[in-house]
This record gives sequence, structure tokens and C-alpha cells, in this order.
Amino acid sequence: KNEVEQSPQNLTAQEGEFITINCSYSVGISALHWLQQHPGGGIVSLFMLSSGKKKHGRLIATINIQEKHSSLHITASHPRDSAVYICAASGGGADGLTFGKGTHLIIQP
Amino acid sequence: DAGITQSPRHKVTETGTPVTLRCHQTENHRYMYWYRQDPGHGLRLIHYSYGVKDTDKGEVSDGYSVSRSKTEDFLLTLESATSSQTSVYFCAIRRLAGETDTQYFGPGTRLTVL
Repeated sequence: KNEVEQSPQNLTAQEGEFITINCSYSVGISALHWLQQHPGGGIVSLFMLSSGKKKHGRLIATINIQEKHSSLHITASHPRDSAVYICAASGGGADGLTFGKGTHLIIQP
Repeated sequence: DAGITQSPRHKVTETGTPVTLRCHQTENHRYMYWYRQDPGHGLRLIHYSYGVKDTDKGEVSDGYSVSRSKTEDFLLTLESATSSQTSVYFCAIRRLAGETDTQYFGPGTRLTVL
């Protein structure tokens, strides 16, 4: 069973700061997913990574397969980025994702 | 949003009553999933389906059953609800396209068992 750990659990930062959220997993995976959940809201898929790096707007996700580690970065953070960010591991089969417990991010103006 | 709806969106029920939650998709995806989300535990897999009448258990399947009689609907049943099943339930579909493997989540059902 894969164990997925995220850090930090909570993060408060000022608008404009560079944000990094970390995720590590215990067993080899086929893909690592980053998800976003706004308060009271649904869950949105941000990235699916199997290697390297992906960028979408101000969001960047990286993965190091050898170290079993992924990071999500937010550049020029904004209050609208305030949300819970969740990483999840996929084993590649039909079974579902294994999730970290999430990082609660608050960006203050 | 991959055309996923869940019903009901909110439900309050009493211990011992049966409850069925419905997930409906409009895009004919093969894989469907039920997760629950709880404070301190995050999201956990309950059951999943890889085709009509093909289902399997996830990490926290005790007390739950599922059925998938047609591609578009995946039902989650609590045969006899308990307070420990108070949670937010999310359905998801898996979209496979080339190298892309993405899960899309429904809006969630908030279930309270009194």
C-alpha cells in the first residue's frame, strides 16, 4: 500500500510570495496527481505527472521518480490561490488514487 | 467537469437506515470511483468500477456496497448507516487519452448520519 505524505499541513503566506508544497510517496507509481479544493467546493485536477516538470500559468509541478518526491510551486501567489492542495499517487491499474492529507494554503493580501 | 453529477447533494439520515448515493456521468468513461473525505484522513477510496457489473473494493469498503448496471451510473449503498459514515462522498471518473490519465470529481454529497 502506498503511503503519501504532504508537507506542510498548513501554510500562510503573503500575497506575491513563492509557495512550495511537497509530496513524498513510499512505493513506485505510474503517475502523481495534484488537485485543488476550494473551501466548500469541488475537487479540481491541476496536474498529472509521470516524469519531469509541468507548468500551467503560475503553477509548476515537478517530480523526482528516483527520490519518490514531487513539489507544487505557486509563483506570485494571490489570495485566490487560497485552497487545499492535495497530492495523490496512481499505481497505474484500475484501482483509484491514494491521497495525501492535503495542504491548507492561505494567501493574505 | 466531465459531466459528472451526484445525487442527493445533501442528506441527513438516522442510524440503521439504508442510503443510496448516485453518481451519473454523460461521457461513457469506463472507470468510476467512490471516495469519502474526512478531516484528518483526507480522501480514501471506497469502491471502484472498471466496467458494467465489474467492481472491486477499495481501502475503506466495509459497510458499503456498489452497483453498476449501466455505464453512466455508479451507485453507492450504505445498507445500514452508522454515525461513522458521516462524511462527504465524492464520485470520480477516470479519463484516459494518450499519455493523459486524469480523474474528474463530482460535486460531492454531504451525508450526516444521526
